[in-house]
Amino acid sequence: GAVVSQHPSRVICKSGTSVKIECRSLDFQATTMFWYRQFPKQSLMLMATSNEGSKATYEQGVEKDKFLINHASLTLSTLTVTSAHPEDSSFYICSGGAGGRETQYFGPGTRLLVL
Amino acid sequence: QQQVKQSPQSLIVQKGGISIINCAYENTAFDYFPWYQQFPGKGPALLIAIRPDVSEKKEGRFTISFNKSAKQFSLHIMDSQPGDSATYFCAASLAPGKLTFGQGTILTVHP
Repeated sequence: GAVVSQHPSRVICKSGTSVKIECRSLDFQATTMFWYRQFPKQSLMLMATSNEGSKATYEQGVEKDKFLINHASLTLSTLTVTSAHPEDSSFYICSGGAGGRETQYFGPGTRLLVL
Repeated sequence: QQQVKQSPQSLIVQKGGISIINCAYENTAFDYFPWYQQFPGKGPALLIAIRPDVSEKKEGRFTISFNKSAKQFSLHIMDSQPGDSATYFCAASLAPGKLTFGQGTILTVHP
């Protein structure tokens, strides 16, 4: 299957700071990528759809000003958690599908811990 | 509103046995149903997927059974192995790539 990478794999930051997470499709181009959040021992919840060259669309209840998404190229989407707080601590995972197909390949995830 | 309900929450199976995980959905507009396997600290990996016009799909030891009228689908893992111990998620899709996940099932396969 296709390969999606994320960087960093884990990050610890102080409350009030901003953190950027990168999601890259390594062997395919993705006009659309998706960002999910997963709390410990819970399921994945879709946060937003990242669209190359246009604004991201956010799921209900997700603050777009807090979770900034930029999809600057066909292989890179970034999620910036602004003014992070301890309740933002979670596992953030991105996904993409080659050619917009339904089959989604997930990245390895980024563990964020906000102190 | 939880649109995809998954059960059981946890499952213990002996090596060589059959693991069965069930999911039920509410929205009849869902048109793609994948199953993912996730190990601790890793992203989900696609196992197998099915469309609602097919009642069963088999890939190796993994089989999806789909009942459109009952709005239910299940994953069967034949000859379960200790290496299959992981969390399994069913999911459903309304639009390409946009997945609604079930709550997950923690599978433990004892040697």
